[in-house]
Amino acid sequence: AQSVTQPDIHITVSEGASLELRCNYSYGATPYLFWYVQSPGQGLQLLLKYFSGDTLVQGIKGFEAEFKRSQSSFNLRKPSVHWSDAAEYFCAVDRFGGGSQGNLIFGKGTKLSVKP
Amino acid sequence: EAGVVQSPRYKIIEKKQPVAFWCNPISGHNTLYWYRQNLGQGPELLIRYENEEAVDDSQLPKDRFSAERLKGVDSTLKIQPAELGDSAVYLCASSPWDNEQFFGPGTRLTVL
Repeated sequence: AQSVTQPDIHITVSEGASLELRCNYSYGATPYLFWYVQSPGQGLQLLLKYFSGDTLVQGIKGFEAEFKRSQSSFNLRKPSVHWSDAAEYFCAVDRFGGGSQGNLIFGKGTKLSVKP
Repeated sequence: EAGVVQSPRYKIIEKKQPVAFWCNPISGHNTLYWYRQNLGQGPELLIRYENEEAVDDSQLPKDRFSAERLKGVDSTLKIQPAELGDSAVYLCASSPWDNEQFFGPGTRLTVL
């Protein structure tokens, strides 16, 4: 069965420092992968998604993610973190493939704190 | 453009009481989703509607949960009776067909 693992429950970085959030997936075929962000009291917002092609995908708010099939990973990165990036980040995989975005399995999330 | 609207934002009830959550999706979005998000977990899909038809309700606990989407627009999720383990955030999302989902702010349910 498909699954998503986010190994880090909580990460703290200093403002201006670089960020990498880890995501590992378990999926038999080519996965369709997503990163969402959830700010306190808010719904989830899609940051970026990977379906095929270039393994480095660009998203909103300066985020990018790299798909590495050999490592079953889809890590999220940002070169310079802003205080407003403090939130919870969720990695997700499509349950059935085919580019569907309606059957998502989410990881448990990584909470990001930003130090001034 | 207005986002997904959910009400109430917070609800506190005693166990065995009924509770209902309401969701109004983004105008024109035919697909509507209800998720449950337990503390420290990611969202889990409860039910997905295409217009007024429930196309995936495999993870909806049907003994106590029910949902409806009359006229294919807004939707109601009901729990009757509520149990302590139902305490969670209930998220509604909508999308134009099988595309990017837009989430509402959620309803935080506390069952005492």
